[in-house]
This record gives sequence, structure tokens and C-alpha cells, in this order.
Amino acid sequence: DGGITQSPKYLFRKEGQNVTLSCEQNLNHDAMYWYRQDPGQGLRLIYYSQIVNDFQKGDIAEGYSVSREKKESFPLTVTSAQKNPTAFYLCASSQRPGQAYEQYFGPGTRLTVT
Amino acid sequence: GQSLEQPSEVTAVEGAIVQINCTYQTSGFYGLSWYQQHDGGAPTFLSYNALDGLEETGRFSSFLSRSDSYGYLLLQELQMKDSASYFCAVRVRTGANNLFFGTGTRLTVIP
Repeated sequence: DGGITQSPKYLFRKEGQNVTLSCEQNLNHDAMYWYRQDPGQGLRLIYYSQIVNDFQKGDIAEGYSVSREKKESFPLTVTSAQKNPTAFYLCASSQRPGQAYEQYFGPGTRLTVT
Repeated sequence: GQSLEQPSEVTAVEGAIVQINCTYQTSGFYGLSWYQQHDGGAPTFLSYNALDGLEETGRFSSFLSRSDSYGYLLLQELQMKDSASYFCAVRVRTGANNLFFGTGTRLTVIP
């Protein structure tokens, strides 16, 4: 079955540590996205990538980094510079950048930093 | 920048019809998407309107009025499983095609 996988589902880290969240898709989609969701809030865009080896900052990129070395993979690193990293992180993809209106989401990773 | 407004909560009775409104202010507007998200789950795509008018997909319909910067999601024959959060999202062009999400409407369906 085609889809997006994110691992792990729950992640706990100590303050000051970097952590990398995995996102893999087998939909053969060109574009991929990372969002952050806080309780009772909408989704805020962290980074997006329209093509391999290219990515752009979203609205809240500070304290995060990404890479897109393969079409299938778009890992997100939450660095120690991110002031409030505890959140629900969602990865998504769309077939083409121009089809960003229809995004397919992974199950998410809930990150808790203490 | 972009701003979207939608009601934070709506309650409706099983079998009834409910309308969730979304007003937006944005530049470079392309269209309006709707997503459903159950608690703890991933958002799933419901519909997209780029042109004015009503789009129907089964029990769900979505409407857009570009002149009024307004859209709505209409859910008919409500079922308990429709209890979820519903997000409107504007597709904008700010250097690349992206979606900007609203804060969501939590729909509770009661028996």
C-alpha cells in the first residue's frame, strides 16, 4: 500500500539535544512538507521541498533543519535552538508542487522535550 | 500575510446537516481546501475549490465565493464518525505553491 510513514510515533528528548524525525513516502510524489501542530491549533508550515536536493523555509523554520537527498525521504531535525519543540509533527506530500491543495499526511510524531 | 477565520466549535445532531464557514484574507489566492482530522490522527483531504460554486462529494459539499472571500463545508446526514476537527486551508502563491491552514472547527455529533 502506498503512503507516508513517520517514525517514531512518540519521541521523548531532553532539552539541549537535537532530534531527527523520519518521513518516508512511496507515493512517488515530488513535493514534501513538514508541519507543526500545537494543541487546538492549525498546522503551521516548517519546511517544504518541491524536488530532490531543494527545500525552502516555511513560516516557522527557525530551530529546524531538513534534507532531501532522496525523493522518498524528507527527514526533519529539531535542533536545540528551537525554543519550544514539544508539539505534534506532521509530514505530508503532494504529487506535484502545483497540487499542494491535496496533500497526503503521515500519522505524525508526537515529540516531548523536557 | 494570510488570515483565516472559522468557528472553533460546532455541535450537531446525528442525521442532521451542518455548515462550517471559513472566511479568509490573503494575497495570491488560488483556492480553498478542506481537511478532516480525527483526534490524534492525520489530516485527510476532503475537497478543493478553485472556482466559485458548489462541489459535491457524497455526503460532503464545499462552496467558494471568491468575491466574498468566503467558503463553507456542508456535511449532510451526519454520522457519529464525522466527529472530528475540520480545517480550511488557502492555497497561495508566495514563491511556491503552499497551503495556509486555519485553526480548525471541532465538530461534535450527538445522538
